[in-house]
This record gives sequence, C-alpha cells and structure tokens, in this order.
Amino acid sequence: GAGVSQSPSNKVTEKGKDVELRCDPISGHTALYWYRQSLGQGLEFLIYFQGNSAPDKSGLPSDRFSAERTGGSVSTLTIQRTQQEDSAVYLCASSLGRAGANVLTFGAGSRLTVL
Amino acid sequence: AQSVAQPEDQVNVAEGNPLTVKCTYSVSGNPYLFWYVQYPNRGLQFLLKYITGDNLVKGSYGFEAEFNKSQTSFHLKKPSALVSDSALYFCAVRAGSGGSYIPTFGRGTSLIVHP
Repeated sequence: GAGVSQSPSNKVTEKGKDVELRCDPISGHTALYWYRQSLGQGLEFLIYFQGNSAPDKSGLPSDRFSAERTGGSVSTLTIQRTQQEDSAVYLCASSLGRAGANVLTFGAGSRLTVL
Repeated sequence: AQSVAQPEDQVNVAEGNPLTVKCTYSVSGNPYLFWYVQYPNRGLQFLLKYITGDNLVKGSYGFEAEFNKSQTSFHLKKPSALVSDSALYFCAVRAGSGGSYIPTFGRGTSLIVHP
C-alpha cells in the first residue's frame, strides 16, 4: 500500500483481556518494527522483523507480549492479560531493509487504553 | 548500548525567530542519525538524516541539523520558525555498521512556536 496501515486506531479494553494490534507495512519493505509510545517516555522499542530471519524480541517488556509476521508482510502484536501500564500508543514502522541508513515509515498508531 | 538524550522536554520560540532542538547520542562506531517529527494525532514523519559527508544536513520544511562528532551532538535547527512547526520532535541513532539495525529514539522534545 501507499503507507503503513495500523488497526484498530483506538482500542479500549478491560484489565485482564487480550488484545491484538495489526500492522500492514509498505509493500516490498522487508523490515518491520514495533515501538510503544507512552506519555513522557518517548519511543520504546518492542520487536523487529527482518525478512525470514528470527525476530529480535529484546524489547518486549514481558511474556504477555508477543508478535508474529505472516508471509513477510502483515504483523500482529498480541498483548495477553492486559494491565493498566500497557496503556500507550503502539507504533508500527517498516523500511526497505537493514542495509544502509534506511528511513522508517511509521503508521498512525494504535492507541490502547486499559481500564 | 546506544542511547539518545534530548535534554529539553519543551522548547518555546516566537514565530520568525531561529530555533534549536538539542540531541546528543552514544553509539559504538560511526553513527547514523535521524530526526523525525510527529504532528498531533499523526504518525512520525522523517525529516532528515546524517550518514557521512558534510556535517550540515538539510531536510524537509527548511530544517537542518549539524553533526558534531567531538560533542556527539546532532542538533536540529531552523533559521525562522513557523507556527506550523509546532510538533513533537524525535532524534534517533543507530550504529553505522556492525551494530544494531534498530534505531534508538530519544524521549522527544515538544516545540511550541508562538505567533
């Protein structure tokens, strides 16, 4: 597509529920990133996918968080048993790949509110 | 480990005056440096990047940034600020080679341009 698409744009859930956030990257972009943006915390790296390589999960804050990328395209970030501290904007970005200084193209984000 | 510091949470400037948003970084080896801007309720957009070559980099919307290796800084500048420049600005760094392909972002600086 023309840009990075994320859904839902807003999600309100109750503590303890599971949520899934979707990211559709730019066609042809082999690298896909998930970041979390919390008020006053900047952008926190969560997970990175590059082609068919094993993902870099070093930023996932707990085992309640997981992500997959199917067919090298669409990615889903899943948060199980949500907690209030999970409330944030979840940003997805894609880039052409890791070679060179590739610029990230970001989606508009999914705002998660855990009550 | 790589890191970025944006020492100012907020910068206030009058329209027509020059602006500077500060950024310092830490990374192994040569850095790739980036500035992104986030307008209200929108995703991050790329402004400019430094890879190699001239220390003064020019980007979108009249912005420029100066790479200073000795001070490990990459301050964002604009000669004459516009009210429409009001937004959240993020500096990011990644290692140029042999290191992580994952950019690390700063906490962001809110730029407010007063009419």
